[in-house]
Amino acid sequence: DAGVTQSPTHLIKTRGQQVTLRCSPKSGHDTVSWYQQALGQGPQFIFQYYEEEERQRGNFPDRFSGHQFPNYSSELNVNALLLGDSALYLCASSFRTGTTNEKLFFGSGTQLSVL
Amino acid sequence: AQSVTQPDIHITVSEGASLELRCNYSYGATPYLFWYVQSPGQGLQLLLKYFSGDTLVQGIKGFEAEFKRSQSSFNLRKPSVHWSDAAEYFCAVGANNAGNMLTFGGGTRLMVKP
Repeated sequence: DAGVTQSPTHLIKTRGQQVTLRCSPKSGHDTVSWYQQALGQGPQFIFQYYEEEERQRGNFPDRFSGHQFPNYSSELNVNALLLGDSALYLCASSFRTGTTNEKLFFGSGTQLSVL
Repeated sequence: AQSVTQPDIHITVSEGASLELRCNYSYGATPYLFWYVQSPGQGLQLLLKYFSGDTLVQGIKGFEAEFKRSQSSFNLRKPSVHWSDAAEYFCAVGANNAGNMLTFGGGTRLMVKP
């Protein structure tokens, strides 16, 4: 049973460019969340998708957007990249959205470097 | 707004010694509390969680944590550390009906001396 898979594992972009990160949730899961983890810091919640809609959003600008597909996979898009967007982007999946006691499964992340 | 503080950025212990990692949280209601571990190049793995009931929570890999409301703390403990426990440890707080929106602390990096 595959866990949460993310692609690509590493990515290098230039300031001002746009990037798309992808996530496939664990089998049986229908909710996907995205977190940003800057070097030396804890993860920060970006947003959560359930039933193809953004349900919760953290304190991130509109440059960060996402999408969830009917098969529950998800994309994170970041426009107009800044140097400060360099981070490890983690995807987490669970079953159902409203109950915090659902166990979150995290992927290994996509390391984004903005030059 | 909720917040989590992990006062120790780095901790070094000898293999076989006991371990306690500190976590203090700020939240207005009863918190949902978590400890996660992250090995280099890996995602986060849940060690244990507290929602209600018994304030001493048992987790995987021999870890336990104790919720102390009066101190707003949720410290992680292990009686005997193994070299494989070297990793980054994160405490997190969530809220009822907040879905998967967790607030994480800055993490504590654990190093284990042979």
